Amino acid sequence: NAGVTQTPKFQVLKTGQSMTLQCAQDMNHNSMYWYRQDPGMGLRLIYYSASEGTTDKGEVPNGYNVSRLNKREFSLRLESAAPSQTSVYFCASSENQAARFKKLFFGSGTQLSVL
Amino acid sequence: AQSVTQLDSQVPVFEEAPVELRCNYSSSVSVYLFWYVQYPNQGLQLLLKYLSGSTLVESINGFEAEFNKSQTSFHLRKPSVHISDTAEYFCAVSAGNQFYFGTGTSLTVIP
Repeated sequence: NAGVTQTPKFQVLKTGQSMTLQCAQDMNHNSMYWYRQDPGMGLRLIYYSASEGTTDKGEVPNGYNVSRLNKREFSLRLESAAPSQTSVYFCASSENQAARFKKLFFGSGTQLSVL
Repeated sequence: AQSVTQLDSQVPVFEEAPVELRCNYSSSVSVYLFWYVQYPNQGLQLLLKYLSGSTLVESINGFEAEFNKSQTSFHLRKPSVHISDTAEYFCAVSAGNQFYFGTGTSLTVIP
């Protein structure tokens, strides 16, 4: 059982380049999330999708777009990368349950450097 | 609004010594509290969670956390740490559709 799979694991971009981070889960979860992790900042929510066809902004959405392609896949796009977007990006998924029952399942992360 | 504060960014401790990782939260609504652990080069994994009932919750690897409503705290403890406990630990609250994470505490166990 693969769980949450993210690709790529590492990426180096130049300022202004675009790219898409891919995420897929095989647990039939309704909710999916994108977080970024920065030193001293912890995890901050970029976007989330409570169900197929819906997306909502999180704490730090500027400079990003997302697509919930289907129930399994949730992609994150950087249209014009900036050095401030250098970070480790995590995709996660969960059942669409009441808050107290939720458990997040995380991918192994994408380390992105923008030069 | 919800927020989570982890008071210690780094905690070094000798093997077999006890450890406490501190977490305080603030919320205007009922929340549910979690500790996640991140081992090097991996994603986060759920360590334990408090939903309701007994204020002391335990994990399978010897960690425990106590929910203290009056102090709005959910500190994580282990009476005797092992080298394998070296990791980043995140306290989190769940409210509605979102999780809110603290900034993390890096636990380093020294042989």
